[in-house]
Amino acid sequence: EIVLTQSPGTLSLSPGERVTLSCRASQSVSGNYLAWYQQKPGRAPRLLIYGASSRASDVPDRFSGSGSGTDFTLTISRLEPEDFAVYYCQQYGTSLTFGGGTKLEIK
Amino acid sequence: HVQLVQSGAEVKKPGSSVKVSCKASGGALYTYAINWVRQAPGQGLEWMGGVTPIFGSARYSQKFQGRVTISADESSSTAYMELTGLTSDDTAVYYCASPPQYSGTFHFDYWGQGTLVTVSS
Repeated sequence: EIVLTQSPGTLSLSPGERVTLSCRASQSVSGNYLAWYQQKPGRAPRLLIYGASSRASDVPDRFSGSGSGTDFTLTISRLEPEDFAVYYCQQYGTSLTFGGGTKLEIK
Repeated sequence: HVQLVQSGAEVKKPGSSVKVSCKASGGALYTYAINWVRQAPGQGLEWMGGVTPIFGSARYSQKFQGRVTISADESSSTAYMELTGLTSDDTAVYYCASPPQYSGTFHFDYWGQGTLVTVSS
């Protein structure tokens, strides 16, 4: 099973800041089949990025994904108040696993 | 776009089973790959397995193999997840989720609203 490690566990930032979240895989993710989700309390996750770098429908362009192999990142260029949430990465190249999540909180 | 609507909250005794449903509207069920993801209180997301009705086969996470059955009923456009041998560790919100139609991939664009299953004596 591919283990995804997200870091850091929690980030405290202010609106307007730029942030980069990390997702590291225990082995290479086949096809770079790596997705990112945003989840707010009491809500289902929302797909942001798939295929490591493709934005899902209706996702603002301040969200971008990059990476390949075992190292992937999600960047939010300028934090909006609605972006404070938990972010998960998911690989779907070999079976399917999720990372443990990174919580983005308001400073 | 497909909409996924799940059944309501359940309270179960340890050792029992639970069956959660996920009704699809806005597209034929067989064109979607319905997967199940759970989330224990305050914890992360955990994939359990999924079914692609057009192929008629389900695949499961090793962790749940033998304890979970995922199925689909095209006539009612409803997918099901049954989990047996419940323990308190199975207390979680269970989500159904699907990629786009015919996509053949497993990133989840569409999600149900979640079903809380509480296991308690």
